[in-house]
Amino acid sequence: AQSVTQLGSHVSVSEGALVLLRCNYSSSVPPYLFWYVQYPNQGLQLLLKYTTGATLVKGINGFEAEFKKSETSFHLTKPSAHMSDAAEYFCAVSAGTASKLTFGTGTRLQVTL
Amino acid sequence: GAVVSQHPSRVICKSGTSVKIECRSLDFQATTMFWYRQFPKQSLMLMATSNEGSKATYEQGVEKDKFLINHASLTLSTLTVTSAHPEDSSFYICSASVGSSADTQYFGPGTRLTVL
Repeated sequence: AQSVTQLGSHVSVSEGALVLLRCNYSSSVPPYLFWYVQYPNQGLQLLLKYTTGATLVKGINGFEAEFKKSETSFHLTKPSAHMSDAAEYFCAVSAGTASKLTFGTGTRLQVTL
Repeated sequence: GAVVSQHPSRVICKSGTSVKIECRSLDFQATTMFWYRQFPKQSLMLMATSNEGSKATYEQGVEKDKFLINHASLTLSTLTVTSAHPEDSSFYICSASVGSSADTQYFGPGTRLTVL
């Protein structure tokens, strides 16, 4: 079985500051890992994903994440926050090539002036 | 590419009525479609997985007689909430997959259901 833990249900940063959203996973097989963003009353948009290969993955809107197997982590970062980054962010895991996604509880990112 | 639509985006209904939500893959054929439910300020919970032409597989605790899923074609799946009650009010999101693995899933914009 797979599970995801997102530390911090709410993160607040100043515009221009570093964004760090934490995600730890548990999987009995090599995982595929995902970060999604959700704006109010909208569906999910894929930010980035790790399947195999390079452990540092770059996504849209300047976000990136690093897969660290030894730490079972897949934290999301962005060097400089923008007001438009304010949204809900979900980390998700699948058991390798299996189709089922398991989501974390989400982190709401607030960006202040 | 890989656009998934849902209809309606919002629906309000009276308690006891049934509501149908459509999920369409607009520019690809989806081998599998998924239905999720999201309560306010909570995560997405998978309700069921459906493959075209076969019965849906429901997650534990999801009432299959209440949440009817039909996947009649490779581009359309429907979720019918039967005899809806206020506790069924939620945000329902579908996703469609072009392949068998999760990295090929694309999400719809969601449907807000409010049962009065």
